[in-house]
Amino acid sequence: DGGITQSPKYLFRKEGQNVTLSCEQNLNHDAMYWYRQDPGQGLRLIYYSQIVNDFQKGDIAEGYSVSREKKESFPLTVTSAQKNPTAFYLCASSPGQGRLAGMNTGELFFGEGSRLTVL
Amino acid sequence: AQSVTQPDIHITVSEGASLELRCNYSYGATPYLFWYVQSPGQGLQLLLKYFSGDTLVQGIKGFEAEVKRSQSSFNLRKPSVHWSDAAEYFCAVALYNFNKFYFGSGTKLNVKP
Repeated sequence: DGGITQSPKYLFRKEGQNVTLSCEQNLNHDAMYWYRQDPGQGLRLIYYSQIVNDFQKGDIAEGYSVSREKKESFPLTVTSAQKNPTAFYLCASSPGQGRLAGMNTGELFFGEGSRLTVL
Repeated sequence: AQSVTQPDIHITVSEGASLELRCNYSYGATPYLFWYVQSPGQGLQLLLKYFSGDTLVQGIKGFEAEVKRSQSSFNLRKPSVHWSDAAEYFCAVALYNFNKFYFGSGTKLNVKP
């Protein structure tokens, strides 16, 4: 079945360590996104990518980095510069700007999330 | 400033009762509008979406939502709540280029037996 796979589901990190969260999609979507979710704050956009080899900062990009070398993959690295990394991270994809014909596209499809805890 | 507001953090309803979750947006024009549902520890699932046309939108699981442009609202409704509807609900908007989606802070729904 087509979908978005995030791994690992749970991750523990010591302070000062970088950690990379994986996100893979087989939906043939152009656009991919990373959100951070904290209780009571909804989802906040970290980075997004509309096309391979291009990505843009979202609202809370500091302390994070991404790459988009393949259409299917959009890994997120949480660096030691991120002051409060403990959170639930959600990856999403959408068909993107080029696939809006018929008004039946445009929504976000989400993975099941990765919970990062800094010890 | 552009924003999506869900004024209710928690709501408790009895099983079988009706439900209305509020969402207000502040953008220059009516953006694309969405409601998502999230079960604990899971990703988000789309309930319904509004792009244009009829302002009353039907979704999955018996949910519907109505766009009221004069109030900049997109409230989610269900006539009879089931215990399995207990979850967190997020309202979201996307601007016309779909570069970004903005989410409200969520409303947690508790269903009493």
